[in-house]
Amino acid sequence: AQKITQTQPGMFVQEKEAVTLDCTYDTSDPSYGLFWYKQPSSGEMIFLIYQGSYDQQNATEGRYSLNFQKARKSANLVISASQLGDSAMYFCAMMGTSGSARQLTFGSGTQLTVLP
Amino acid sequence: DTAVSQTPKYLVTQMGNDKSIKCEQNLGHDTMYWYKQDSKKFLKIMFSYNNKELIINETVPNRFSPKSPDKAHLNLHINSLELGDSAVYFCASNGRLNTEAFFGQGTRLTVV
Repeated sequence: AQKITQTQPGMFVQEKEAVTLDCTYDTSDPSYGLFWYKQPSSGEMIFLIYQGSYDQQNATEGRYSLNFQKARKSANLVISASQLGDSAMYFCAMMGTSGSARQLTFGSGTQLTVLP
Repeated sequence: DTAVSQTPKYLVTQMGNDKSIKCEQNLGHDTMYWYKQDSKKFLKIMFSYNNKELIINETVPNRFSPKSPDKAHLNLHINSLELGDSAVYFCASNGRLNTEAFFGQGTRLTVV
């Protein structure tokens, strides 16, 4: 079974500063993927970034980077130079690679508020 | 060019009615899903289909029936709607490499 834990229900960050959203996971699958999604107040789920369990380097996509520490089973999202439009709910998720494990298991989310 | 599109975006209906939500993806993905997001924002898998074959069927009432006419479409039919079915339902898809998974815009279902 896969499990994702996000321990920060809410976070605040000043505009233009960096923020780290925590995510830890648990799985018995040797191969898996880690995902982050943004859900603004309008409700859509926006795919941000992906990290494969065998990837040697941390994933980056623009201002988003994933701090992947496999031994600690953590996959924290770092948002650099926060903008007001970054205020949203952020979900960490993981997916196994075969059969019934090939589904996204989500954490409970972190509500990020960017302050002007 | 919408990658995963689901309709309708809003659905308000009375208890006991039957309703359907449609989903289509134009990404060439082989796996499609239905997720339910409850009032506390928690997202839970309901069903997944791989190339029209049912792979995951979580513990949901059998009033919920998915239908996949082809690998680009996965519809959700709900019979005898109950107040507790009120939620946001998301369709999603991902490809064989599992490096991306995209969601539709969501359908906010309200049962009155």
